[in-house]
Amino acid sequence: AQSVTQPDIHITVSEGASLELRCNYSYGATPYLFWYVQSPGQGLQLLLKYFSGDTLVQGIKGFEAEFKRSQSSFNLRKPSVHWSDAAEYFCAVGGIGNEKLTFGTGTRLTIIP
Amino acid sequence: DSGVTQTPKHLITATGQRVTLRCSPRSGDLSVYWYQQSLDQGLQFLIQYYNGEERAKGNILERFSAQQFPDLHSELNLSSLELGDSALYFCASSLGPSGGRETQYFGPGTRLLVL
Repeated sequence: AQSVTQPDIHITVSEGASLELRCNYSYGATPYLFWYVQSPGQGLQLLLKYFSGDTLVQGIKGFEAEFKRSQSSFNLRKPSVHWSDAAEYFCAVGGIGNEKLTFGTGTRLTIIP
Repeated sequence: DSGVTQTPKHLITATGQRVTLRCSPRSGDLSVYWYQQSLDQGLQFLIQYYNGEERAKGNILERFSAQQFPDLHSELNLSSLELGDSALYFCASSLGPSGGRETQYFGPGTRLLVL
């Protein structure tokens, strides 16, 4: 069975500070990993995805994520957050021939001035 | 704007009733996915259709059914509604099966409240 754990329910950071959101996955084969962002009242928007190759992937809005197979992790990072980054962030796992995404419970990000 | 449209945006109904949620995928997308987002269950995959055929099934209750029509829009039917069915229902679409690599584009969701 596949699963995703996002251990931080809520994170608060100051505007301009760096950010790291944690994601751990469980998947029986080679995972495909995704980060989505959900702004209030909106649907989910894909930030970035990892299938294979370079373990550091770049996404939209200045986000990046690093795949670490040994730690079963796919943490999301941003060097300097902006007030507009306040949202809920979801990590998801799929796999080869598997379009069913399994999502984590999400991390709500609050930005303080 | 993802290009995926969902109607209605909000729906309030009573227990025991039946509702239909509608989704129009992005132009050119052949796959449609339905997800349920609730406070206690999180975001869960329900079902996927590809070009009119059911392709994958997740945690979808027997009271729920879906279909994809020849024009590729999809409908999710929820019947014998219970209080616990109150949730945000998302539709997503993608070009089609790409071995799991396809990007799913999400609609804004339909918020269902069962009273």
